[in-house]
Amino acid sequence: GAVVSQHPSWVICKSGTSVKIECRSLDFQATTMFWYRQFPKQSLMLMATSNEGSKATYEQGVEKDKFLINHASLTLSTLTVTSAHPEDSSFYICSAPRQVTQYFGPGTRLLVL
Amino acid sequence: GQQVMQIPQYQHVQEGEDFTTYCNSSTTLSNIQWYKQRPGGHPVFLIQLVKSGEVKKQKRLTFQFGEAKKNSSLHITATQTTDVGTYFCAGPNAGNMLTFGGGTRLMVKP
Repeated sequence: GAVVSQHPSWVICKSGTSVKIECRSLDFQATTMFWYRQFPKQSLMLMATSNEGSKATYEQGVEKDKFLINHASLTLSTLTVTSAHPEDSSFYICSAPRQVTQYFGPGTRLLVL
Repeated sequence: GQQVMQIPQYQHVQEGEDFTTYCNSSTTLSNIQWYKQRPGGHPVFLIQLVKSGEVKKQKRLTFQFGEAKKNSSLHITATQTTDVGTYFCAGPNAGNMLTFGGGTRLMVKP
């Protein structure tokens, strides 16, 4: 099946720093990728849709200046959490659609101290 | 906007017992997808149902899509400890987006 990778798997950072998370589709091209956030024991909440060659589309309530998304190529999207705060600590997961199925990356656990 | 709801939120079962989770959408769906997320892992695609009234089986798992294409269920027969995890249903939105249900967390006592 299709494979999506994420890097890093986990990161611990100090409050105020920026953290960059990469999402790659390894064996297929994805003009669209999705970024989700998941808090413990909760469902996945869509943050934004990353579009190759154009601006990302953000869900209501998600600050675009705080969560910068860049879809650099047909296989890579990055999410940068700028000036991270402890409340940004969460599990961030990307997904890429291939035909009708969403393939999820393994996720990135972010802990902001 | 579209809402997808799942019940129950949590379910504890004894190993060998059956388990069912129910999914309801506020709108008619073109298809419904089911995902499983193991503790500490990421969601993994299980199946997609497209046709009204469709029933599909994967070993001990039975998936059903309602006649009105607004609800679905996942039934596990004779649960095993390997079934532990959270099961999500998801319905498509515009542009390949998925709206996920809240998930049902299954815990199996050996």
